[in-house]
Amino acid sequence: NAGVTQTPKFRILKIGQSMTLQCTQDMNHNYMYWYRQDPGMGLKLIYYSVGAGITDKGEVPNGYNVSRSTTEDFPLRLELAAPSQTSVYFCASTPRGRSNEQFFGPGTRLTVL
Amino acid sequence: QQQVKQSPQSLIVQKGGISIINCAYENTAFDYFPWYQQFPGKGPALLIAIRPDVSEKKEGRFTISFNKSAKQFSLHIMDSQPGDSATYFCAASRGKSTFGDGTTLTVKP
Repeated sequence: NAGVTQTPKFRILKIGQSMTLQCTQDMNHNYMYWYRQDPGMGLKLIYYSVGAGITDKGEVPNGYNVSRSTTEDFPLRLELAAPSQTSVYFCASTPRGRSNEQFFGPGTRLTVL
Repeated sequence: QQQVKQSPQSLIVQKGGISIINCAYENTAFDYFPWYQQFPGKGPALLIAIRPDVSEKKEGRFTISFNKSAKQFSLHIMDSQPGDSATYFCAASRGKSTFGDGTTLTVKP
């Protein structure tokens, strides 16, 4: 199993541009999450999903959108990128029945200039 | 409102010493308390976790101590090694997880 994979690893955006951060897991996990990690800070939950077709807002959802059309994929969409969205983004997943133990991807480092 | 407070922000320990990181939580509904280890450029990885029905859990050199009445839990790393140098995050969970701000541990040889 590859686990949780994220693409791209790095990206520089200009203010106002849009992009999609990709996240895929091959462990058949039901729960998936998107976090952002700012320097010296912990992980802040952006959106999460408990299964295909079901998504919900986390702590910091503004400026982001998600979809979950399959169990494997959970893309994060940034519309009208702003400098405040400069961060490292982590996708995570957990299996049903062990919904507390999270498996993280390697992260996407995004800079908005 | 920060539901999980972690301290210290950074910690320097000599090789062979004991590293201690503390966390405090507010919401008594949390039912799972994990610690994650993160190396530079990598995603966090689960290190050890505890549920509130036990006061201590040990896995190798890593021990979680849990004080339910004080709403506090801590990570102890015995015989700290340079390879333990990383950022450590505590979390508290009931379904979704709330993370502390992290502790950067440096173990000097």
